[in-house]
Amino acid sequence: DIQMTQSPSSLSASVGDRVTITCRASQGISNYLAWFQQKPGKAPKSLIYAASTLQSGVPSKFSGSGSGTDFTLTISSLQPEDFATYYCQQYYSYPFTFGQGTRLEIK
Amino acid sequence: EEQLLESGGGLVQPGGSLRLSCAVSGFSFSSYAMSWVRQAPGKGLEWVSDISERGASIYYADSVKGRFTISRDNSKNTLYLQMNSLRAEDTAIYYCAGRLAGRRSRFDYWGQGTLVIVSS
Repeated sequence: DIQMTQSPSSLSASVGDRVTITCRASQGISNYLAWFQQKPGKAPKSLIYAASTLQSGVPSKFSGSGSGTDFTLTISSLQPEDFATYYCQQYYSYPFTFGQGTRLEIK
Repeated sequence: EEQLLESGGGLVQPGGSLRLSCAVSGFSFSSYAMSWVRQAPGKGLEWVSDISERGASIYYADSVKGRFTISRDNSKNTLYLQMNSLRAEDTAIYYCAGRLAGRRSRFDYWGQGTLVIVSS
């Protein structure tokens, strides 16, 4: 199985900040990597797929990069609605696996 | 608008069974592979099972293999998850998710989830 490791597990930031979350795969997954945002009591929302392609309707403040084993999600100009938990997920091979999540909190 | 509506969750005793359903509308169900993904209380996301658009290919997480069965009825635009021999660690919100047919495609659509509680 491919293990997905996110860092940090939690992150405190202020409105207006720019933050970066990293995700590392235990083996190469090309660019078959997605990022999701989840707010309490809600289903995950797709932000980015193919490592760097923004899902339709997602603002350009979200950006993704990487290929192979190392990936990043960057969120610029944080707004109150951006504080949530973020997950990476590989869809290169079964079983599909998620990172453990990064909780983004308001400082 | 794409909608995925899960149902069938509830409280069940250890060793019991439950059948979840996911009714889909707003996109071409028969063109999409479907998965179940679960989330235990306060925990992260865990993929459970996947079925191809026509049901020919099925995959399970090791944690549910032999106990859960995924199926679909394209005539009813509905996905199912039959869960047997339930354990306390199966307690979670279960989401259905859709991805375009193909070996490596991302999840495009998610339902709102149905809660399964396994407890005596």
